[in-house]
Amino acid sequence: QKEVEQNSGPLSVPEGAIASLNCTYSDRGSQSFFWYRQYSGKSPELIMSIYSNGDKEDGRFTAQLNKASQYVSLLIRDSQPSDSATYLCAVWSGGSNYKLTFGKGTLLTVNP
Amino acid sequence: SAVISQKPSRDICQRGTSLTIQCQVDSQVTMMFWYRQQPGQSLTLIATANQGSEATYESGFVIDKFPISRPNLTFSTLTVSNMSPEDSSIYLCSATAEGRNTIYFGEGSWLTVV
Repeated sequence: QKEVEQNSGPLSVPEGAIASLNCTYSDRGSQSFFWYRQYSGKSPELIMSIYSNGDKEDGRFTAQLNKASQYVSLLIRDSQPSDSATYLCAVWSGGSNYKLTFGKGTLLTVNP
Repeated sequence: SAVISQKPSRDICQRGTSLTIQCQVDSQVTMMFWYRQQPGQSLTLIATANQGSEATYESGFVIDKFPISRPNLTFSTLTVSNMSPEDSSIYLCSATAEGRNTIYFGEGSWLTVV
């Protein structure tokens, strides 16, 4: 069973702080890694993707990948109340069984 | 990016009935998937919709309960059969284009079974 594990949360940070979201995965053959944001009552929205070890920055968001440790994280700098949502880590499996497996998600609350 | 349209967006269904959800993508995609998100839960893959052949179902999901069609590269349907209150969920269609680098989601179909 290929698994994706996330911090259970909820995570609460003050406005302007850095929010750190973590995710581990079990399938060493995984090729691509995604972070989705889901507001209550809405479908998931892709905010970051990362495919190779290291950091990838996009605005206030930085994704970090360490394949040796099977670990991926998302940092949100200068957190805003509008960042309050559930963040879902998703892993795209390799081999012949192509599919996207989601973690349970971490609820982030940014307090004004 | 691909735009994925689902309908119905929301419905209230009677126990024992069936409902078909349609998914239309605005560009040709290589793979289409159907997910379920039960209240307060994460997304669970139901099946991969294969063009012109039977869908590939995940463990715990069967064709009799969730028949899926994909007659062409841009359209798929999911039927939720003989519904019970436990089927009350969001059903999400997703798709990935060539290269599989980005996976898009539709807005979801919110089903309530009473």
